[in-house]
Amino acid sequence: DIQMTQSPASLSASVGETVTITCRVSENIYSYLAWYQQKQGKSPQLLVYNAKTLAEGVPSRFSGSGSGTQFSLTINSMQPEDFGSYYCQHHYGTPYTFGGGTKLEIK
Amino acid sequence: EVQLQQSGPELVKPGASEKISCKTSGYTFTAYNIHWVKQSHGKSLEWIGYIYPYNGGTGYNQKFKGKATLTVDNSSSTAYMELRSLTSEDSAVYYCARHWGYFDYWGQGTTLIVSS
Repeated sequence: DIQMTQSPASLSASVGETVTITCRVSENIYSYLAWYQQKQGKSPQLLVYNAKTLAEGVPSRFSGSGSGTQFSLTINSMQPEDFGSYYCQHHYGTPYTFGGGTKLEIK
Repeated sequence: EVQLQQSGPELVKPGASEKISCKTSGYTFTAYNIHWVKQSHGKSLEWIGYIYPYNGGTGYNQKFKGKATLTVDNSSSTAYMELRSLTSEDSAVYYCARHWGYFDYWGQGTTLIVSS
């Protein structure tokens, strides 16, 4: 199975900061990578797919980049509603796997 | 509006089976795969498997073969996941999600607690 290594596992940031989360993949998945945001007690919500395409309704302060085995999610000018957990997931065929998650907390 | 509405929380005894439902609306049910994902408390997400409502075709994560069985009822646009021989390791939140290469809509999750 494809392994997804996400870093950092946790991150503290202030409102207005720019943060970057990275996802390293064990084999080439081209651009078949998605990012999800999960708030406490809620289901994951799609943010980005195909590595850099924003899902409908996602603010433009979110951006995804990368291809092959290295990917990143950047949040420009963090807002209070952006705090929560973030997960990467490859969609390069089954079995799908997710990263271990990044918990983004307010500083 | 696309919606996936899952059944409520369940408390079951070890060794029992449990069937979770995922009722969909707002789109053509047979046009999209439904996938199931497990999230143990405080942990990341694990992909369980999928079902294609159009023809009932399924695919499973090797880890969940024999544990999970996926079915659908096209007349009610509902997907089901049955979990058998439950142990404490199966205590988790289970999500259904619509698949379009990635998971674009998710159910609210069903909490399953396995305890005597």
